Amino acid sequence: EPEVTQTPSHQVTQMGQEVILRCVPISNHLYFYWYRQILGQKVEFLVSFYNNEISEKSEIFDDQFSVERPDGSNFTLKIRSTKLEDSAMYFCASSQERRELFFGEGSRLTVL
Amino acid sequence: GENVEQHPSTLSVQEGDSAVIKCTYSDSASNYFPWYKQELGKRPQLIIDIRSNVGEKKDQRIAVTLNKTAKHFSLHITETQPEDSAVYFCAASSLGNTGKLIFGQGTTLQVKP
Repeated sequence: EPEVTQTPSHQVTQMGQEVILRCVPISNHLYFYWYRQILGQKVEFLVSFYNNEISEKSEIFDDQFSVERPDGSNFTLKIRSTKLEDSAMYFCASSQERRELFFGEGSRLTVL
Repeated sequence: GENVEQHPSTLSVQEGDSAVIKCTYSDSASNYFPWYKQELGKRPQLIIDIRSNVGEKKDQRIAVTLNKTAKHFSLHITETQPEDSAVYFCAASSLGNTGKLIFGQGTTLQVKP
């Protein structure tokens, strides 16, 4: 069964450093998303991406964040200058028709 | 924007009993309501979903009901088993938008053997 894959599974970084989280969505999916989950809290929407552009973003997704689909398979989330409060699990998700979202296993980001 | 409230935050039941988790939503334009199960350290996985043109949907021991007028929907798990123990999230989304899901706060279900 196809699934969304994410790398790295865990990244530790120093405050102020840039981080890139990578995702490979399911191959025939057209809609891509990033969500984050702070430990013990709910899953929060960050950004949606369709047709090579951002279709919607939340207030969390400020200028420090960017997304890119550099080729036909990868979908990346970049945090330009990490802050302590960026520590969270980041989930990539994809869908075919904006309905059932398939989530990756997540990338745990720890900012020291 | 949409806001989803979920309760209870924790639920403990004996194996074999039923469990009910309830959610309310604020945006009347929402028309898709999935439920996700998340085991510790794992990804959220879709277990059942319902669209606003349906009042109830059942899949083996799991059922979801939707009351559009009251803007609430519920997850029912019957004959609970220890492997049902996990965090359950409800979510809402509206047709025509980007597919963005707004999640509830989650319910930690513990099924005691």
